[in-house]
Amino acid sequence: GNSVTQMEGPVTLSEEAFLTINCTYTATGYPSLFWYVQYPGEGLQLLLKATKADDKGSNKGFEATYRKETTSFHLEKGSVQVSDSAVYFCALSQGGKLIFGQGTELSVKP
Amino acid sequence: KAGVTQTPRYLIKTRGQQVTLSCSPISGHRSVSWYQQTPGQGLQFLFEYFSETQRNKGNFPGRFSGRQFSNSRSEMNVSTLELGDSALYLCASSLGDGRDNEQFFGPGTRLTVL
Repeated sequence: GNSVTQMEGPVTLSEEAFLTINCTYTATGYPSLFWYVQYPGEGLQLLLKATKADDKGSNKGFEATYRKETTSFHLEKGSVQVSDSAVYFCALSQGGKLIFGQGTELSVKP
Repeated sequence: KAGVTQTPRYLIKTRGQQVTLSCSPISGHRSVSWYQQTPGQGLQFLFEYFSETQRNKGNFPGRFSGRQFSNSRSEMNVSTLELGDSALYLCASSLGDGRDNEQFFGPGTRLTVL
């Protein structure tokens, strides 16, 4: 079946460092792909999405490109801030339901 | 526009009891989905309702059920609670009329089963 695999955390970075969180997927067809972020004690917030191959989703300095050839949707940000500390989830949409990766905890130190 | 709201935010129950959680979607959204989040299993899909009908179902036992009302508000019920049902239950709403509508999540209900 369809699945999503993310790099394990926690990831600890210094402020202004470059961020990459790897995400690969297994799917039949061409699902839409998403990144969600969860801050402590809160629900999930949609960070960005891409609906077809080579689409680039972007928001708040975060970017991810839908790579069909490598079945990947890696999240990147050029310069992280302390406020980016959260758990990040990669997900794909299958018939209206979301299938999530296990989440990657990011901790940014000043 | 108000976001997705869930009540209650926190619940403590004992084994064998039942519980009902409520979700109010964003105005105009007709689809409501429920997810269970636990440290061990991560985020897992429970079910989706659209126009008062269950449209999609995850791999959970029959103790987990739900329904949707004509105003799109949804409830989920868990009967005969088990310790393993302790989790954060998240509700998400979407327009529901497209293949990959964005889903907007509520803050969740934290259920603790003692």
